[in-house]
Amino acid sequence: KNEVEQSPQNLTAQEGEFITINCSYSVGISALHWLQQHPGGGIVSLFMLSSGKKKHGRLIATINIQEKHSSLHITASHPRDSAVYICAVSHMDSNYQLIWGAGTKLIIKP
Amino acid sequence: DVKVTQSSRYLVKRTGEKVFLECVQDMDHENMFWYRQDPGLGLRLIYFSYDVKMKEKGDIPEGYSVSREKKERFSLILESASTNQTSMYLCASSWLYEQYFGPGTRLTVT
Repeated sequence: KNEVEQSPQNLTAQEGEFITINCSYSVGISALHWLQQHPGGGIVSLFMLSSGKKKHGRLIATINIQEKHSSLHITASHPRDSAVYICAVSHMDSNYQLIWGAGTKLIIKP
Repeated sequence: DVKVTQSSRYLVKRTGEKVFLECVQDMDHENMFWYRQDPGLGLRLIYFSYDVKMKEKGDIPEGYSVSREKKERFSLILESASTNQTSMYLCASSWLYEQYFGPGTRLTVT
């Protein structure tokens, strides 16, 4: 079993829809990361959080430490949001390494 | 802004060639990482370095070596390239938890 599981693997939605991507993990963590990768592009960090909720524009990330679960929400989705969204966790025993989820491929149709 | 640069965006090499992939960061980060990214497998850590001349194996070090002679530069070496090393290679650097990525090098070994 992977230590970081994302769902769904693939998601196609219409422009304007509310999007939710989920991440569950099985290890103790010091932080959880959400990252974005556009086709052919590098990886960009969206959020790093260890509790509660963070918001940046139309993106919202939440984490429930007790349930070992995080969600990334996109409100009023747009075709430019089409990308792979990756969840990763910083293991509490390591300051350096991240444990990676497999990613969620999101396609927003106009 | 942190900048992580990689020497090439695209590279085509022949089987058996020695291949050097270079990564440079400009933020005086202690930690640097080399990943490969393959469809359906997500990011897998090849090697990381937490200081000059210090390195540790990641999850898939076989067939690779690394060099870190200066803090800002981390090189990935394929001693004898093989077709199963065709992949996207991503370099990252970090001080603590958050990693900053380069644009990636798409390597094709024929």
